[in-house]
Amino acid sequence: GEDVEQSLFLSVREGDSSVINCTYTDSSSTYLYWYKQEPGAGLQLLTYIFSNMDMKQDQRLTVLLNKKDKHLSLRIADTQTGDSAIYFCAEKFQGGKLIFGQGTELSVKP
Amino acid sequence: DGGITQSPKYLFRKEGQNVTLSCEQNLNHDAMYWYRQDPGQGLRLIYYSQIVNDFQKGDIAEGYSVSREKKESFPLTVTSAQKNPTAFYLCASSRGPDQPQHFGDGTRLSIL
Repeated sequence: GEDVEQSLFLSVREGDSSVINCTYTDSSSTYLYWYKQEPGAGLQLLTYIFSNMDMKQDQRLTVLLNKKDKHLSLRIADTQTGDSAIYFCAEKFQGGKLIFGQGTELSVKP
Repeated sequence: DGGITQSPKYLFRKEGQNVTLSCEQNLNHDAMYWYRQDPGQGLRLIYYSQIVNDFQKGDIAEGYSVSREKKESFPLTVTSAQKNPTAFYLCASSRGPDQPQHFGDGTRLSIL
């Protein structure tokens, strides 16, 4: 079946890099997404990667996809206190269905 | 500014009542979605609509109903049959089913 797993918490110091990891079980997805959720708000689309790509870079964000290990990661360079939020990975399948992980709460300490 | 507007931001329901959550988008998107978010969990799909006057059940549709009479609007009714309605409800839309989904700011529903 379709399942997406994330670790629940990550704490880093301001200026360090953050790496948020995600594993999934069903490799028939078409795209994989990263969303950011600030307290009491909706989800903001950060970036996404097509399932036949290995890497995508977008300013401070780097997405790595290892299809063999079914592992997706989001690296945030030079993490700032404004990056503190919950980060969700999601798999998209044909027809539009999105399966979300539980979310990783990123805490950035000054 | 184009976007997705959910209202109200907070909603309270008495036992046995139906309540309706509003979702409006001015992005000219064909597809719209309703998700439920519970603490410490990912989002779960309630209903979705790929075109006006058509919608399909998601993974947790029991106790909910929707309509899609206009392209811009996709209201969700939480009926009294939904026994555990307290949650954060998120509406999303996309140009098509294979395009990225964009989200509103959510409605928090609580039981009195």
